[in-house]
Order: sequence, then C-alpha cells, then structure tokens
Amino acid sequence: EDQVTQSPEALRLQEGESSSLNCSYTVSGLRGLFWYRQDPGKGPEFLFTLYSAGEEKEKERLKATLTKKESFLHITAPKPEDSATYLCAVLADWKLTFGQGTILTVHP
Amino acid sequence: DARVTQTPRDKVTEMGQEVTMRCQPILGHNTVFWYRQTMMQGLELLAYFRNRAPLDDSGMPKDRFSAEMPDATLATLKIQPSEPRDSAVYFCASGLAGPVETQYFGPGTRLLVL
Repeated sequence: EDQVTQSPEALRLQEGESSSLNCSYTVSGLRGLFWYRQDPGKGPEFLFTLYSAGEEKEKERLKATLTKKESFLHITAPKPEDSATYLCAVLADWKLTFGQGTILTVHP
Repeated sequence: DARVTQTPRDKVTEMGQEVTMRCQPILGHNTVFWYRQTMMQGLELLAYFRNRAPLDDSGMPKDRFSAEMPDATLATLKIQPSEPRDSAVYFCASGLAGPVETQYFGPGTRLLVL
C-alpha cells in the first residue's frame, strides 16, 4: 500500500527564517510527486510536480527536491503570507495518495 | 482563470436527510475526483471518473453514497441517508488524463450533519 509521511506536523518560523519540510514515501511505481498548498477554508492549490530523483523545481521562495525515498520543500526567507498547510502526494498508476500535511506558521 | 466550482459551499442538515453536492470541472478536463477531508483522516479519495465513466469508487461507503456525472460539465455526490460521521469537507478535483496527471481542486463543500 502506498504511504506518505510528512514531517514535522507543524512548524513555526520567524519571518526570514529559512527551513525545510519533509515528505517520505513508499510507493510501487512512482509516476510523480506533487506539492500542494492549502489555506484555511480553501481547496489544495497545486505548486509543483517532480518526476524523478534529482529533480528540483522553484517558485518564488519555495524549492522542491526529490530523492528515491523523500522530497523536501525548502522555504527561503519566508513571509507571513507563506503560512498555510503544505501537502505532499504521490501518484502511482492513476491514484494520488496524500500525506497528512505540515502546518506552517510564519510570524512577522 | 479556469477553476473547479462546487456548490453549495456550506451545508448543515439533520441526520437522515439527503445531501447532494455538485461540481463543475474545468472546461476541457476529462477526469473528476471526489475527496473527503477530515482532521483525523486527511484527504481520502472517494470516487474517480474518466470521460464521465466511473472507474473507481472503492473509497465510498456504498450503502449511502453515490456519485454520478450526468454530463461533462457536472459531477454529483449524494449521501442518503446522511449521518453525523459524514461531517467533513468534500472536495472535487479535475484533470486531464495522462501519464502524470495534475489534479486541480475546487473550494470544497463543508458538510455538517447534526
């Protein structure tokens, strides 16, 4: 069975304090790894897709990386507006399996 | 700006009542997914449609839940009869079938069954 584990469950940062979120996975036949951002009361918003180990993608202050067993979402010099829940998901065949998410809070 | 739309956004009902949630996928998308999100379980897949055909509904309680796509612009999820344990946020997502499909989520329907 496909499994996705995200850590930490919650992360509090000061504005400008860089950090990383982790997503560990076990899946048969990984076709892609996805990162989503979810704000309170809203649906998940697509951020990145990573396809193979060694791949990296960037968007503003976010950079996602992928190895054979895990993915990291690096947040550089975060701002309060980066506060949200970040969800990782793995795609095997057609099914997307989500982790429980990391709740990120960035204090001014 | 193409988006998935869902109605209603909020629904409060009493146990035993029928609940119908509607989703309009992004125009041109040919896959639709229904998810349920709770604090305890996170995001759980309920049903999957491709080209309006139901391909998987193994995550759905069969005795009370049903999902349909009457046409390419409308997907419905029904609960009859509803129970308090069905209280959750229900999301619809759509995408384009392919080797690595990105799913785009709607804003969700927040359901409270009293």
